[in-house]
Amino acid sequence: GAGVSQSPSNKVTEKGKDVELRCDPISGHTALYWYRQRLGQGLEFLIYFQGNSAPDKSGLPSDRFSAERTGGSVSTLTIQRTQQEDSAVYLCASSQDSANTGELFFGEGSRLTVL
Amino acid sequence: SQQGEEDPQALSIQEGENATMNCSYKTSINNLQWYRQNSGRGLVHLILIRSNEREKHSGRLRVTLDTSKKSSSLLITASRAADTASYFCAPKSVNSGYALNFGKGTSLLVTP
Repeated sequence: GAGVSQSPSNKVTEKGKDVELRCDPISGHTALYWYRQRLGQGLEFLIYFQGNSAPDKSGLPSDRFSAERTGGSVSTLTIQRTQQEDSAVYLCASSQDSANTGELFFGEGSRLTVL
Repeated sequence: SQQGEEDPQALSIQEGENATMNCSYKTSINNLQWYRQNSGRGLVHLILIRSNEREKHSGRLRVTLDTSKKSSSLLITASRAADTASYFCAPKSVNSGYALNFGKGTSLLVTP
């Protein structure tokens, strides 16, 4: 597609349920990032994928969070047993080659509300 | 990797005025990028300045970089109501991984 696509755009769930958020990066972009942004706050780095290398998971806040990227393209962020503090906008970004310019192209985000 | 710290946290100006936002960082960088965010959705890349550049222009945007002071500034000239948004800087460190980290940003309000 022309840009980074994220789905769903909005998700309301009950505490304790699992959620999956999807990111479809720009075709040909080897690097993919997930960020979390709580209301009125900055972006928290969660996880980074680069090609076939092992992902940088250093930003994942707990073992309830996991992400995978299949075939070097689409990525899924999974949050298990959701808590109210997981409520946030989850932003995905991709870049052509982070070693060169590092310019990120963001999707519109998935707004998660945990009741 | 490091994150930039934007200053001020909030800025309110009238249309036609200039807006200046500052960014400070801590360690050596390859480049520094500025992004804009409308209404808490996706960020849009505005401009990238490399460590060997001191000033860069793009339309009404002017970015400066002072590596000796580890700081950058973003100037928006002749501001418009449509410039209302949050602005983030993202310094790309030399030796600390590939992830870009973002601070809390500067929230700019431009009133007609």
